[in-house]
Amino acid sequence: GQQLNQSPQSMFIQEGEDVSMNCTSSSIFNTWLWYKQDPGEGPVLLIALYKAGELTSNGRLTAQFGITRKDSFLNISASIPSDVGIYFCAGTGGGNKLTFGTGTQLKVEL
Amino acid sequence: NAGVMQNPRHLVRRRGQEARLRCSPMKGHSHVYWYRQLPEEGLKFMVYLQKENIIDESGMPKERFSAEFPKEGPSILRIQQVVRGDSAAYFCASSPSYLQRPNTEAFFGQGTRLTVV
Repeated sequence: GQQLNQSPQSMFIQEGEDVSMNCTSSSIFNTWLWYKQDPGEGPVLLIALYKAGELTSNGRLTAQFGITRKDSFLNISASIPSDVGIYFCAGTGGGNKLTFGTGTQLKVEL
Repeated sequence: NAGVMQNPRHLVRRRGQEARLRCSPMKGHSHVYWYRQLPEEGLKFMVYLQKENIIDESGMPKERFSAEFPKEGPSILRIQQVVRGDSAAYFCASSPSYLQRPNTEAFFGQGTRLTVV
């Protein structure tokens, strides 16, 4: 089946730093989405991308749909303590379902 | 407009019992998805349903697991004769249409955490 490899697995950064994480696939995806999951909660959608090459921002978050349709990245600028959590990429390939990445755990040091 | 509602939030079952997990999609959403998440892992697709139909159950274990989304009422994920390996968080998501359509997104519930003792 389709697999999404997400990196880094975890990050420990200082408040105010910029963060970058990415997601790669062995096969083409038609949509890319980025979710954040807080402990004990369900994933919350941050950004959705629908076209190859698309670059979309949501506040301090920016994500891009790779031109090859096999990758995507998420940047967070000027991180703050509430950015702590696990970030998942997800995508749709064949079929109406989301395939999730392995997650990037973000920890922010004050 | 309430979000995706799942209940119970926490469920404890003894080995061999049945577990029933409920999911009420967002108003106007006719597509429901179930995912399972083990600790420290991502979400794994289990099943995709539309009203009264199972569309894709490629992620469902062949035995003991079943899902339904009746014409009236919530979607149900049913696990019979639970074993310790079934302990996980189970998430439901819903969408108003097909996910590959622009601006069609899946919204997740808060999950049901199943513990088998």
